[in-house]
Order: sequence, then C-alpha cells, then structure tokens
Amino acid sequence: AQTVTQSQPEMSVQEAETVTLSCTYDTSESDYYLFWYKQPPSRQMILVIRQEAYKQQNATENRFSVNFQKAAKSFSLKISDSQLGDAAMYFCALTTGNQFYFGTGTSLTVIP
Amino acid sequence: GAVVSQHPSWVICKSGTSVKIECRSLDFQATTMFWYRQFPKQSLMLMATSNEGSKATYEQGVEKDKFLINHASLTLSTLTVTSAHPEDSSFYICSARGLDYPSSEQYFGPGTRLTVT
Repeated sequence: AQTVTQSQPEMSVQEAETVTLSCTYDTSESDYYLFWYKQPPSRQMILVIRQEAYKQQNATENRFSVNFQKAAKSFSLKISDSQLGDAAMYFCALTTGNQFYFGTGTSLTVIP
Repeated sequence: GAVVSQHPSWVICKSGTSVKIECRSLDFQATTMFWYRQFPKQSLMLMATSNEGSKATYEQGVEKDKFLINHASLTLSTLTVTSAHPEDSSFYICSARGLDYPSSEQYFGPGTRLTVT
C-alpha cells in the first residue's frame, strides 16, 4: 500500500522569504513519481513540480524546488521568494502509474 | 495541451433529485478518468476509476448505485449522483489520463461544487 504524509497542516511565510513544506511517503514499488500540487481558492489543482524516483537530481521549476531523499522517503518542497499568489493548499502526491495517493495538504499563508 | 473541463461548475439541487456532472478531455483521448470528492480543507478522496468502455471500479465505501459513473467515450465521463441528499454536498473533481501522455500524469478538471438542499 502507498501512503503520503504531510505533517504540517498550516504554514506561513513572509513575502519574499523562503518556506519549505514537508512530505514523507511509503511505497514498496521501485518505479514511482512524486508531485506537488497547488490548490488555490479557485480549487483548480495545479501541478507545481514533478519528480521521477529514478532520477537522483532534484527537480526545479523557477522558484520551486524539491529535496528528494529517496532512502528516507522524503520529498519536501521549497518555495523561494514567496509571492502573495503562492498562498494556497499544497498537496504532495505519489503515483505508481495506476492512481494517485494524496497527502492531507498544507495550507500556506503568505504574509505581505 | 491536456485540458480537462467539468460541467457544471456549480449546481444546486433539491433532496431526492439526481444530478449529472460531465468531465471532458478537450484535447486528448482519456483512456482512464478518475473521480474525486473533496470536503472543505481536506484532501482529495478517490471515489472511482473508469476506463473507456468498461465498468467503473469503485473505492471501498463508495456506493456504486448512488454514484453512477459512465465513461462511454474517450473524451467524456459522467458522474450521476442519484437521489441526492444534503450529505452528498461536496466538491467533485475529475481527472484524466491519456495514451499520449506518461502513465504517471493525470490532468485535473476545475471541479464541480454540488449543494443539495
């Protein structure tokens, strides 16, 4: 069975500062993918960043980067230079190709 | 590419009536579609997985007679909430996966807010 755990229900960050959202997961599969999704108040799920498990290099998308620790089964998201538009629910997700498994989410507040 | 639409975006219905939600893949053929339910400030809960032309596979605890899912074409899946009750009020999200994309990818619709009065 696959599980995804987000231990931070809420986080806040000052505008222009950096924040890290935590995620741990568990799977017995060797081939899997990890994602961070953002869900703003509109509730549209938006893909933030994607990481293939077989890649050692951490994924980066502009101000968003991950720290993928495969042995520790950890997948944290770092948001640099936080902007007001980053305020949203963030979900960590795992897929082995069949279905997605989501964490419980972290609500991020950006303080002006 | 990879756009998924949902219709309606918001629906209000009376208790006891049925309501249908459509999920469409606009620019790709969706071999598999997923239906999720989301309560306020909670995560997405997978309700069912449907493959085109096949019966949907429901997650444990989801009433298949209440939540009817049809995936009749490669671009359309529908979720019908039958005999809706106030406890069915929720936010429903569909997602789709296609042959042209990696099996790891799902593309999400914008969701449908259902309110049952």
